[in-house]
Amino acid sequence: GAGVSQTPSNKVTEKGKYVELRCDPISGHTALYWYRQSLGQGPEFLIYFQGTGAADDSGLPNDRFFAVRPEGSVSTLKIQRTERGDSAVYLCASSLGRGYEAFFGQGTRLTVV
Amino acid sequence: AQSVTQLGSHVSVSEGALVLLRCNYSSSVPPYLFWYVQYPNQGLQLLLKYTTGATLVKGINGFEAEFKKSETSFHLTKPSAHMSDAAEYFCAVSEGFQKLVFGTGTRLLVSP
Repeated sequence: GAGVSQTPSNKVTEKGKYVELRCDPISGHTALYWYRQSLGQGPEFLIYFQGTGAADDSGLPNDRFFAVRPEGSVSTLKIQRTERGDSAVYLCASSLGRGYEAFFGQGTRLTVV
Repeated sequence: AQSVTQLGSHVSVSEGALVLLRCNYSSSVPPYLFWYVQYPNQGLQLLLKYTTGATLVKGINGFEAEFKKSETSFHLTKPSAHMSDAAEYFCAVSEGFQKLVFGTGTRLLVSP
């Protein structure tokens, strides 16, 4: 595709529910990043994939958060037992690999009520 | 650990005036530095980046920034503001093109 695509663009869920957020990177990009942007803050790093494996997951806040990229392309960020504090915009970015510029998607706005 | 400080959560300028958005960073290794712009309901767009070499870097839309190691700064400037420049601007630092550490952002307001 022309750019990084994230779906859904908006997600409202109830506290305690499970959600999945999807990221389709730019074709051919081997590196994929997830960031979280809370209201009034800059994006915060969550996890980085190189190919299918998570090369750095040091930003995941706790074990309720998990991300996969089984075929080295599309990635899914999974959040279990959602809390109101998880409400934020989740941003995905992709690049040709380590050492290359990352391109961002428009984000998924998650609201936990 | 790396960090970024953006002074001023909001900056207001008149159309045609100089734009100056401040960014100071902390890094234990030679940093890569970035400025991103975010328009409402849109993703982050790279304005410019510094990796190595020339310390004055030019970006899109007439913006430029200068890397000053002695001041640990990477301030963003534009000689003449346009109404279309109104947006949120983020400074970021990384070790190479790896995970980015962002500042809290500066909202630029441009008045006619």
